[in-house]
Parts: sequence; C-alpha cells; structure tokens
Amino acid sequence: AQSVAQPEDQVNVAEGNPLTVKCTYSVSGNPYLFWYVQYPNRGLQFLLKYITGDNLVKGSYGFEAEFNKSQTSFHLKKPSALVSDSALYFCAVRDEPGAGSYQLTFGKGTKLSVIP
Amino acid sequence: SAVISQKPSRDICQRGTSLTIQCQVDSQVTMMFWYRQQPGQSLTLIATANQGSEATYESGFVIDKFPISRPNLTFSTLTVSNMSPEDSSIYLCSGLGLPNTEAFFGQGTRLTVV
Repeated sequence: AQSVAQPEDQVNVAEGNPLTVKCTYSVSGNPYLFWYVQYPNRGLQFLLKYITGDNLVKGSYGFEAEFNKSQTSFHLKKPSALVSDSALYFCAVRDEPGAGSYQLTFGKGTKLSVIP
Repeated sequence: SAVISQKPSRDICQRGTSLTIQCQVDSQVTMMFWYRQQPGQSLTLIATANQGSEATYESGFVIDKFPISRPNLTFSTLTVSNMSPEDSSIYLCSGLGLPNTEAFFGQGTRLTVV
C-alpha cells in the first residue's frame, strides 16, 4: 500500500525567507509524486510533479521540489516566501502506470503561514 | 490543463434528504474520482467513477449511501443520500487524463447538514 507522511502540521516562515515543506512517501514501484496547494474555500491546485528524470523539479509560483530516492522524500521549497503563499499544501503519491491503481494518496496537509 | 466545473459550490441541507453534486470536465478524461475532505484536513477517496458501469468504492463507502454515475467521459455525479450531520464535509471531484499527467480538481462542494 502507498502512503505519504507530512510531518509538520504547520510551518511558519517570515516573508522573504526560504521555505521548506517536508514530505516522505512509501510506494511499491516507482513513485509519481505531486504537490498541490489549497487556498481557503477552493479546490486543489496543482503545483508540480515528479515522474522521472531530473531530481529537482520546478513548478508554479516559484516553487520547486527535490526528489530523493534513498530518503524517499519529496520536499517542497521556495527561495523567498510571499505572504500570498500562505495556504494548505498537500503532498500526494501514486504508483507508475501498470504497477497499481491511478488513485492518489494524500498526506495530511501542512498549513503554511508566511508572516509579513 | 483541463478544467472541472463542479456544482453546487455549497449547500445547506436538511437531514434525511439527498444532494446530487455534478462535475463537468471541459475535455475527455480517462478517470474520474470523488473525494471527501473535512475542512483543513486531508482528502479521503470515496470512489472511482467508471464510465458506463458501477463505481469502484473504497472501504467504508457504499453505493447505497453515495451513488455515483458517469454516463460519458466528461461528466459525473455523486449523490449523498439520506444525509446526517456527519456527512457535513467538502466533496471534491477529480479527473485524470493521460497516465503520466497530474490529476486536476473541481472547486469543491461544501455541504452542511442540519
């Protein structure tokens, strides 16, 4: 069975400082990894994904994530946080096609608060 | 990427009644899913909506309570039947196009049962 852990319920960071939101995963085959963001009263918006290739993935709004296979991690990062980045962030995983279902398994979410 | 229009965006319903939530995708998708989310919490998969056949439900969810239809590749409905206050939640639909792409989500339906 696949699983995702987001060890921090909340991350606070000062505006302009770098931010990191942590994610570790467990999956039977090669992982497909995703980050989504959810603003209040909105659906989930896709930020970035790792399928294969370069371990450093760049996504929307200046976010990036680093895939580390040995540590089974996929931490979300941004060099300089904005107040508008304050939201709920979800890490998600699923198996590669053919290895299982296409269902996403989500972490519990991390609330990011960027302090002016 | 594709866009999902989900409606209603919110509703307040009396216990014992049913609510049907609709999702329309602006392009054909391979798979569609329905999730439930308590505010500020993670997403729990209810079922995979299969085109032209019965949905595949996850443990803890049954067809009598959450009937799902998917008559074609771009449309699906979820009904929450015989509602109780415990059904108060956010319901989200999701679509997946090609297998190596990301899933995308509707804006959610915030349901309150009184």
